[in-house]
Amino acid sequence: SAVISQKPSRDICQRGTSLTIQCQVDSQVTMMFWYRQQPGQSLTLIATANQGSEATYESGFVIDKFPISRPNLTFSTLTVSNMSPEDSSIYLCSVGASYEQYFGPGTRLTVT
Amino acid sequence: SQELEQSPQSLIVQEGKNLTINCTSSKTLYGLYWYKQKYGEGLIFLMMLQKGGEEKSHEKITAKLDEKKQQSSLHITASQPSHAGIYLCGAALGGNQFYFGTGTSLTVIP
Repeated sequence: SAVISQKPSRDICQRGTSLTIQCQVDSQVTMMFWYRQQPGQSLTLIATANQGSEATYESGFVIDKFPISRPNLTFSTLTVSNMSPEDSSIYLCSVGASYEQYFGPGTRLTVT
Repeated sequence: SQELEQSPQSLIVQEGKNLTINCTSSKTLYGLYWYKQKYGEGLIFLMMLQKGGEEKSHEKITAKLDEKKQQSSLHITASQPSHAGIYLCGAALGGNQFYFGTGTSLTVIP
């Protein structure tokens, strides 16, 4: 198993600003995933972050909007850039292989 | 198209009633997970099922995976307000991609 922490747990941001979300895992993992959950919807995978390489983004998500860092095997950041109210969501990081997934507690972002 | 379909989309029940949530896939499920999410919070892992016909229970929640491993159900007995939240099924459907169901919003009226 893995224990995952995220910072911040929630934030209220103004339109046009950026927020960086941190994800820390208590063990070394190869792959980390970032998800978004918009109000009333299921989770959507934003990108997969491997240490030492650029993140792989899913359709509809681009690096300029959601830059990701993965400096080591226990840490990753997701930045939500130039925010708009449509970015108001819960952002979750996750680790694990296909058959075992562990999730962070989430970051609740509200953009005003 | 959605890889994992959940039904119903939302459910409102009186406290003490039983309820069932279904998760259906067109592909074989290799590891089916059930999560609960309280409104505005992260995911809480409930149970994982891997074998066809497998059934697991925790407190008043029972999850089953059918023999064909394409459908799972989550059953709550004698529901309580603490059961309220969004229930999500999740599964790996081959490759490294993990999919989530469409979610079921449960409200329990005291």
